[in-house]
Amino acid sequence: NAGVTQTPKFQVLKTGQSMTLQCAQDMNHNSMYWYRQDPGMGLRLIYYSASEGTTDKGEVPNGYNVSRLNKREFSLRLESAAPSQTSVYFCASTGQGYSPLHFGNGTRLTVT
Amino acid sequence: TQLLEQSPQFLSIQEGENLTVYCNSSSVFSSLQWYRQEPGEGPVLLVTVVTGGEVKKLKRLTFQFGDARKDSSLHITAAQPGDTGLYLCAGVEGTYKYIFGTGTRLKVLA
Repeated sequence: NAGVTQTPKFQVLKTGQSMTLQCAQDMNHNSMYWYRQDPGMGLRLIYYSASEGTTDKGEVPNGYNVSRLNKREFSLRLESAAPSQTSVYFCASTGQGYSPLHFGNGTRLTVT
Repeated sequence: TQLLEQSPQFLSIQEGENLTVYCNSSSVFSSLQWYRQEPGEGPVLLVTVVTGGEVKKLKRLTFQFGDARKDSSLHITAAQPGDTGLYLCAGVEGTYKYIFGTGTRLKVLA
């Protein structure tokens, strides 16, 4: 019972490089989310997908793009990484209503 | 900017003490959730409150949703070292948009 799986777990990039963070869930959830967590800042919403085929901006979308590939998968792309994007990135999913968010274990990204 | 402000940001207390964590916003939420996060892991849900004024209890933890659905509190009675962790509130805007608070890091000393 995997839940929400994120890859990779760790990544180091140089400024200007691009990369895609992958997220997959096996709980048949409709909604998926990307958050970043910086020290002392809690979690900030980057993008979310309420259902397959839709995506919406969250609190801090600048510098990121997302793709809802299918119901299971939701990817986050950094086109030109900047040191300010050094953070821990969490993917989450949920069913409907006031359901809880189920989180992956995060991707720790460092941009030098 | 963070829409949900939590206080205090850090809390270090002795085992057996009581504590309250606050979660405040100027926005109205359809529901509010509390999560706890351990190092190296994602947050895990503790409780969801939906109705203004609602109070829920989970063993030694008591959660309250403000009457206007803009704020919430978490009270822990007789804290134990196992309560140590990062506590996060999350407000739900509409149906799908989950906004997290700034977090409260709790350390309970034995």
